[in-house]
Amino acid sequence: NAGVTQTPKFRVLKTGQSMTLLCAQDMNHEYMYWYRQDPGMGLRLIHYSVGEGTTAKGEVPDGYNVSRLKKQNFLLGLESAAPSQTSVYFCASSYNGPPSTQYFGPGTRLTVL
Amino acid sequence: DQQVKQNSPSLSVQEGRISILNCDYTNSMFDYFLWYKKYPAEGPTFLISISSIKDKNEDGRFTVFLNKSAKHLSLHIVPSQPGDSAVYFCAASAAGGTSYGKLTFGQGTILTVHP
Repeated sequence: NAGVTQTPKFRVLKTGQSMTLLCAQDMNHEYMYWYRQDPGMGLRLIHYSVGEGTTAKGEVPDGYNVSRLKKQNFLLGLESAAPSQTSVYFCASSYNGPPSTQYFGPGTRLTVL
Repeated sequence: DQQVKQNSPSLSVQEGRISILNCDYTNSMFDYFLWYKKYPAEGPTFLISISSIKDKNEDGRFTVFLNKSAKHLSLHIVPSQPGDSAVYFCAASAAGGTSYGKLTFGQGTILTVHP
């Protein structure tokens, strides 16, 4: 039982490049979330999903896209990376929506040069 | 518009003493509050929560107090241990309104417990 896993753990991109972050959970959770953590800003919700095939915008969705084709996976895409997207990205999942406990992955540290 | 605020970026406490972490919120629709703990290079983990119908919830060394009239909550750790050194995030959720279905996090407070 791995919980929530994220791939990759680290990545360096050049401005304008694209990439996809993968989140996988093996707890059969309906809800999945993508957050970014920046110094002094806490965790900010980018996008979330309330079930397979659904996505919704969070607090800071601009510049990101997501897909939830399978219940266990939630993908976060950056089509044209910008330095402002340098951050640590966390994926989380929960059985129900808040206030159900969210279980977080270990994070992906992304640097955009 | 920071709806959940943790105004103390850091807190340093001696082992065995009490640690008090504070959190303020502005959205009156928030009805459930959670504390998460984060170690370096790991994701946050759930610590303790409280519903707005209560003013106190206790779990071992951890107690969360909620003052709805002041829109303020606090996390007490007694006694503090060096293993408690981490970043603590306060979070809130609402049963309705624009915050429905989401957790709103504070900026975090770095707690350091000295042996």
